[in-house]
Amino acid sequence: GQNIDQPTEMTATEGAIVQINCTYQTSGFNGLFWYQQHAGEAPTFLSYNVLDGLEEKGRFSSFLSRSKGYSYLLLKELQMKDSASYLCAAYILTGGGNKLTFGTGTQLKVEL
Amino acid sequence: DAMVIQNPRYQVTQFGKPVTLSCSQTLNHNVMYWYQQKSSQAPKLLFHYYDKDFNNEADTPDNFQSRRPNTSFCFLDIRSPGLGDAAMYLCATSSGTGDNEQFFGPGTRLTVL
Repeated sequence: GQNIDQPTEMTATEGAIVQINCTYQTSGFNGLFWYQQHAGEAPTFLSYNVLDGLEEKGRFSSFLSRSKGYSYLLLKELQMKDSASYLCAAYILTGGGNKLTFGTGTQLKVEL
Repeated sequence: DAMVIQNPRYQVTQFGKPVTLSCSQTLNHNVMYWYQQKSSQAPKLLFHYYDKDFNNEADTPDNFQSRRPNTSFCFLDIRSPGLGDAAMYLCATSSGTGDNEQFFGPGTRLTVL
């Protein structure tokens, strides 16, 4: 089966750096997405990693190690508006078409 | 702006009364997805269309059906909603060519009374 794990909750201080980890065990793995979801809203795309290594995009960076089944999302210079759920999702190749399998999300709370 | 639109944003139905949720897109994407997301849980894929080809997830209840009359529109039909079907229903699209991002609509929050 497909298994994706990430911490349930994290708390960090405004202006700080936080790393949200994600581990996965999936078949047909073809990449790793990170999405941000504010309460009651749809997920919005943050990053996509298909190769090993670090992808940097402004304050957000994402890392992937396929051999270890591991990814992380790094958020720098935290702002209050970054308080949200962060969803890790594995991009899976299947016979019926490609699809995303989501983790349960990490609820990040940014405090003053 | 190209986008994914879901109507209505909030839907209330009665136990056992059929309900239809709609999704439209102006992105001209080949693939449309329906997810169910319950509180504090991950979005769970129900099914998706690649063009007109329907792909049902193995654990999606028969109570959930979908229609895609054309590229732009996709519907989720819940034939006999139960209390356990109360959730946020998310529609997403992707171009379907290679590795690509899914674009989500704002979701429809379904309440079952």
